[in-house]
Amino acid sequence: EPEVTQTPSHQVTQMGQEVILRCVPISNHLYFYWYRQILGQKVEFLVSFYNNEISEKSEIFDDQFSVERPDGSNFTLKIRSTKLEDSAMYFCASISSSRREGELFFGEGSRLTVL
Amino acid sequence: KQEVTQIPAALSVPEGENLVLNCSFTDSAIYNLQWFRQDPGKGLTSLLLIQSSQREQTSGRLNASLDKSSGRSTLYIAASQPGDSATYLCAVIPQGGSEKLVFGKGTKLTVNP
Repeated sequence: EPEVTQTPSHQVTQMGQEVILRCVPISNHLYFYWYRQILGQKVEFLVSFYNNEISEKSEIFDDQFSVERPDGSNFTLKIRSTKLEDSAMYFCASISSSRREGELFFGEGSRLTVL
Repeated sequence: KQEVTQIPAALSVPEGENLVLNCSFTDSAIYNLQWFRQDPGKGLTSLLLIQSSQREQTSGRLNASLDKSSGRSTLYIAASQPGDSATYLCAVIPQGGSEKLVFGKGTKLTVNP
């Protein structure tokens, strides 16, 4: 069964360092998302991406964050200068067609620990 | 602003019991509602998707219902098994310009052998 894959599964970094989280969405999917979940809290939306551009972003997604689809398969989330409060599980998700009718598929997540 | 609430936060049942998990949302104007399962430290596995025009969806031992007008959904699990132990999340896509899923905090289910 097709799945969304994410790497790394766990990354530990020092505050102020840059981090890149990688995702390979399901191959025929057109819409891509990043969500995050701080320990013990709700899953929250960060950004959506369609047709090589951001279609929506949350207040969390400030100038320290960026997304990119560098080739036909990868979708990346970059955090330029990590803060302690960026420690969370980051989930990539994708959907095949209509964002409002289709089923969203999530990856296993990348756990980011900022020290 | 759409808010999603799940009660109870945790539930412990003996194996074999039928159970119901509840999800409520503050604004009935939604496109769809999706139920997910999350194992500790893992990703979200989609269980059921209910469109706003539908009343329920079934998959195996799972049945999800949607009552949009009252802002409620339930996930029914029949003949629970220890392998069903996980956190169950519900999420809605609100109508309007946004495409983001709004999540509840989840119900942590433990099924005891």
